[in-house]
Amino acid sequence: SQKIEQNSEALNIQEGKTATLTCNYTNYSPAYLQWYRQDPGRGPVFLLLIRENEKEKRKERLKVTFDTTLKQSLFHITASQPADSATYLCALDSNTGKLIFGQGTTLQVKP
Amino acid sequence: KAGVTQTPRYLIKTRGQQVTLSCSPISGHRSVSWYQQTPGQGLQFLFEYFSETQRNKGNFPGRFSGRQFSNSRSEMNVSTLELGDSALYLCASSPEVYGSEQYFGPGTRLTVT
Repeated sequence: SQKIEQNSEALNIQEGKTATLTCNYTNYSPAYLQWYRQDPGRGPVFLLLIRENEKEKRKERLKVTFDTTLKQSLFHITASQPADSATYLCALDSNTGKLIFGQGTTLQVKP
Repeated sequence: KAGVTQTPRYLIKTRGQQVTLSCSPISGHRSVSWYQQTPGQGLQFLFEYFSETQRNKGNFPGRFSGRQFSNSRSEMNVSTLELGDSALYLCASSPEVYGSEQYFGPGTRLTVT
């Protein structure tokens, strides 16, 4: 069956360091992959979208890579700040309009 | 532009009752999706509507239904509520048919007692 896996354990890092979050998937051929941020009690907020024919995408301090051979996406936040503390969700779509989300990874950036 | 709005924000219902949740997408967005979020299952896809037609459906029982109106506003209905239906219900709208980011509303927190 289709499966999306994100680090279930919280990621704790020091302010200023680079946070790297992982999203692995199986039995899936996504046309594109998205990353969202969710704060407690709020709806997810879109961050980045990367298509299957793209290897890397950047937006300010954010970078996402997409390796369809390894079936993996990495999400990086450089120069992390306490305000980056949140849960980060990856989501996949096979170009059907149906987004499937991972469970999310909670990031805690300590000052 | 105003964001996605959902009403009500909070609801408490009793087992066996039914509930209707409402979603107003961002102006100009014709695709509306609904999700259920619980601590145990995470964010799960319920269904997606485009131009008043349900295009996709997740793995939920028939008690969960929805519809979309000509102005793109959407409603979802849950009949014969069960305790396990307690969750945050999120609506999201999208500007494109496929391959586009989704804009989420604040959600409706449903508690079934």
